[in-house]
Amino acid sequence: DVKVTQSSRYLVKRTGEKVFLECVQDMDHENMFWYRQDPGLGLRLIYFSYDVKMKEKGDIPEGYSVSREKKERFSLILESASTNQTSMYLCASSFPLGAGDGYTFGSGTRLTVV
Amino acid sequence: ELKVEQNPLFLSMQEEKNYTIYCNYSTTSDRLYWYRQDPGKSLESLFVLLSNGAVKQEGRLMASLDTKARLSTLHITAAVHDLSATYFCAVDMEYGNKLVFGAGTILRVKS
Repeated sequence: DVKVTQSSRYLVKRTGEKVFLECVQDMDHENMFWYRQDPGLGLRLIYFSYDVKMKEKGDIPEGYSVSREKKERFSLILESASTNQTSMYLCASSFPLGAGDGYTFGSGTRLTVV
Repeated sequence: ELKVEQNPLFLSMQEEKNYTIYCNYSTTSDRLYWYRQDPGKSLESLFVLLSNGAVKQEGRLMASLDTKARLSTLHITAAVHDLSATYFCAVDMEYGNKLVFGAGTILRVKS
């Protein structure tokens, strides 16, 4: 019954490395999102995509990029990882216009940059 | 810019007592979501509120939405230990294309 799958549960990377976080959904959702979660700050939107090859910046896009080559897959890329990118990363997907049951979240990737 | 504020950020509850979490937001929206998160886990959808005056209940939790006041409440009736978790409200901006979250409320029920 898995609907939104994030490829890694835990990752440890070195400063300066290029990091890929992968997210796959099987619900045929048009919209996909990447959030980061930090204590006391809630979830903050990094990037979202409303269609294949389309992307829009969220509230905190600096230091990140994304790729959506297929409808079901949305990748978050840290071009040169830094310690301040240590965080929990959550992927989500939804139909447009808030249809259906809203947003479905993946299980999260806890990234540590050392 | 849409801002979403939750309060309190931490709530220590006694069993069998009632409590309320408040979620205020700054711009017009009529779609609000409540999520629960257990430690180390992802977000579980609790309620989707889609119109002014919407009220939904599930077990000991009841959520309501007042779009004119830009306020949603999550009411907990007769708290039990199983409700210990972090609860987030989130407001849908631009109709399904951007969800903005509150900071979360950490609930702990004392036995």
